[in-house]
Amino acid sequence: DVKVTQSSRYLVKRTGEKVFLECVQDMDHENMFWYRQDPGLGLRLIYFSYDVKMKEKGDIPEGYSVSREKKERFSLILESASTNQTSMYLCASIRQPNTGELFFGEGSRLTVL
Amino acid sequence: SQQGEEDPQALSIQEGENATMNCSYKTSINNLQWYRQNSGRGLVHLILIRSNEREKHSGRLRVTLDTSKKSSSLLITASRAADTASYFCATDRGSNYKLTFGKGTLLTVNP
Repeated sequence: DVKVTQSSRYLVKRTGEKVFLECVQDMDHENMFWYRQDPGLGLRLIYFSYDVKMKEKGDIPEGYSVSREKKERFSLILESASTNQTSMYLCASIRQPNTGELFFGEGSRLTVL
Repeated sequence: SQQGEEDPQALSIQEGENATMNCSYKTSINNLQWYRQNSGRGLVHLILIRSNEREKHSGRLRVTLDTSKKSSSLLITASRAADTASYFCATDRGSNYKLTFGKGTLLTVNP
């Protein structure tokens, strides 16, 4: 069974802390994505990566960075967490050339106090 | 920027009824997809329809696409309580792998 695994389902952090959200996929997919989901705003793309060590900004990259050192792992980093980064974070992957289907992880709900 | 917008925002029906959700988008697409999300979980892909297709079926799901109106609809027939979830349309931006999602329709199916 194909799988995208996000390491933490729930996290509570304090303002100013550095936060790492980890995502691992076992499907040998080239492309990986980080979205955040907020009520009334839907899903918004933060960053994506189309290869190891390659990344591109999405629609809302401010306050975030990413790391892709291995093909199967894509990390989202909040250098200094702020309360407005409280959200549900969703990782996804897709093969290229692709069928168009994104495979999502279960999500990481982050609360910044 | 939001590409797809679902309508209605919320829909409540009885088990056995059909549910129809609509999606409108703004720019040209290669394909349009529908996803489902159970509360507090990740999204699950339901169906993809390409820009040269007008209708597609998968089980109890029927998707239509009207590129002239830049709209799509998702029909779930004979709904079940287990269909209760949020449904999102997603459009590619021409890159074939970067998707833009709408805000979703919350479907509640009452037993």
